[in-house]
Amino acid sequence: DSGVTQTPKHLITATGQRVTLRCSPRSGDLSVYWYQQSLDQGLQFLIQYYNGEERAKGNILERFSAQQFPDLHSELNLSSLELGDSALYFCASSRGTGHQETQYFGPGTRLLVL
Amino acid sequence: DAKTTQPTSMDCAEGRAANLPCNHSTISGNEYVYWYRQIHSQGPQYIIHGLKNNETNEMASLIITEDRKSSTLILPHATLRDTAVYYCIATYYAGGTSYGKLTFGQGTILTVHP
Repeated sequence: DSGVTQTPKHLITATGQRVTLRCSPRSGDLSVYWYQQSLDQGLQFLIQYYNGEERAKGNILERFSAQQFPDLHSELNLSSLELGDSALYFCASSRGTGHQETQYFGPGTRLLVL
Repeated sequence: DAKTTQPTSMDCAEGRAANLPCNHSTISGNEYVYWYRQIHSQGPQYIIHGLKNNETNEMASLIITEDRKSSTLILPHATLRDTAVYYCIATYYAGGTSYGKLTFGQGTILTVHP
């Protein structure tokens, strides 16, 4: 158990819909990262937040957005869903000290868009 | 992040040492070598990391060549539960800013046989 929690574990929805994935980082961690893992693209970095502020962006679609709240939990919002958005979505957290950071991953949310 | 190259797959007998190689010939001086593994579709699990010295923890040992262009992850006594995809990642964290996305390649599929 990494200490990172993600909800829900599974999500089934239809094209065009909007969903929200939630992540609670390990106690004391200030940085949260979101990754997407699909069969054809592998594990890809989406976005990072540090203490409530966006820190880095990766291959995140404009239909996707994220935020980190004052209690440091984070949400990833996916809208206008397409079949290709079906994937595993992982959240990771790290201390945020900026030196030899180790990211600890949650169990993931499996999203299926029908 | 420096590009890393790993063999697509490897086999190992249970109880034997598993030696997983990784090439990172373009690694820069401030990039660390991180190893993660992913068992089935679980969240990636941190194994070990290092800069230039060899490192050992309760899970594995990391041997980095003197020129830092390659490294080897060693699982000293592989078990069936070590069957997973192993990722070698070269990345850096800018001091104090906690910028540190992980760029995952295809990794090495390690299969441990009875």
